[in-house]
Amino acid sequence: DAKTTQPPSMDCAEGRAANLPCNHSTISGNEYVYWYRQIHSQGPQYIIHGLKNNETNEMASLIITEDRKSSTLILPHATLRDTAVYYCIVRVDSGGSNYKLTFGKGTLLTVNP
Amino acid sequence: GAGVSQSPSNKVTEKGKDVELRCDPISGHTALYWYRQRLGQGLEFLIYFQGNSAPDKSGLPSDRFSAERTGESVSTLTIQRTQQEDSAVYLCASSLYPLPSGSYEQYFGPGTRLTVT
Repeated sequence: DAKTTQPPSMDCAEGRAANLPCNHSTISGNEYVYWYRQIHSQGPQYIIHGLKNNETNEMASLIITEDRKSSTLILPHATLRDTAVYYCIVRVDSGGSNYKLTFGKGTLLTVNP
Repeated sequence: GAGVSQSPSNKVTEKGKDVELRCDPISGHTALYWYRQRLGQGLEFLIYFQGNSAPDKSGLPSDRFSAERTGESVSTLTIQRTQQEDSAVYLCASSLYPLPSGSYEQYFGPGTRLTVT
């Protein structure tokens, strides 16, 4: 799987949009971008994933650059409960043993009141 | 619906004792995964079950670790003769069987925090 680079920490004011960047310059054509988060003392939680088009669901939006070398996770109206470590991973969606999730250090997002 | 559940939520044991951790996956999820997460570290894959296929045990760190799954439901992870380095949060996840064109959305339980004294 391609390596990703994320800032170690970010702060965001409650109610504002949180924009979390991820660089994946060595991503392959068949690798998806996935985002998970882990709130303190809880298991990881799936947020969103995409291949090349922008994606939106009830939790967040994912913006992938045209060259696919970077992406941004957007939480449109951050709440205190969104304080967590956010992990960006890239992985092939089928074949082999790609079901093994591997997280890096991630970005600790702190939402401040 | 109900998510992935794990028990116990916390377990403190003495070095050398055996422990058994339980995972109840989401109903209908045929794939089940065990991971370990040491304090401040990322996920470490342990084992993967899918239907009646042979499990992928490639992540088990030693022969003291074993896991079983009953059909497509409950799984237990057993650690024999526990050591202090086994202290970690043990996470279980489940998913639908990943289709070639599908996604691998793994849904995690809250984990079992194991402390070996």
